[in-house]
Amino acid sequence: AQSVAQPEDQVNVAEGNPLTVKCTYSVSGNPYLFWYVQYPNRGLQFLLKYITGDNLVKGSYGFEAEFNKSQTSFHLKKPSALVSDSALYFCAVRDMTNAGKSTFGDGTTLTVKP
Amino acid sequence: ETGVTQTPRHLVMGMTNKKSLKCEQHLGHNAMYWYKQSAKKPLELMFVYSLEERVENNSVPSRFSPECPNSSHLFLHLHTLQPEDSALYLCASSHGTGPSEQYFGPGTRLTVT
Repeated sequence: AQSVAQPEDQVNVAEGNPLTVKCTYSVSGNPYLFWYVQYPNRGLQFLLKYITGDNLVKGSYGFEAEFNKSQTSFHLKKPSALVSDSALYFCAVRDMTNAGKSTFGDGTTLTVKP
Repeated sequence: ETGVTQTPRHLVMGMTNKKSLKCEQHLGHNAMYWYKQSAKKPLELMFVYSLEERVENNSVPSRFSPECPNSSHLFLHLHTLQPEDSALYLCASSHGTGPSEQYFGPGTRLTVT
């Protein structure tokens, strides 16, 4: 079985400050890990993914995430938050052997205040 | 735009109605998905199609019936739904079912009265 936990329902940061949205996962094998963002009345948009290789992954809009195998974490980060980053963020995991079946976290609402 | 379109964007139907949701992808992908997104639950995978064959049916009630006539189109046929089926239904596509990211449509907001 595979699972994802996003321990924070809500993250609030001031514009210009660094942000972190947390994600931990559980899979039986090696994971594929993804971050998606959802704006109001829109579908999910892909931000970045970890498949293999370098533990630090860079994605769209200045976001990055660090894969930590020992802590089974894949936290999303950005050095300087923008008000336009305010949205709902989802972490997802897929076991390499579980073709097509991604498990999503409950989502974290990020609010960036001016 | 992500290259995945869904129609209609909003749908209100009674419990005895029959309706269909349509999804179309213009990305040349060969895998397509239906998800249900409810306010109080995480994103739930419903169905997965790979190369037009259903490879996953995630214990979805039979009142939801998917159809994938070709790699670009995906339908979700609805009949005798319940009020608890009201949700945002999202379609997604990807290049294969391995490590590829998914591209999502904007969703259909379904309300069952």
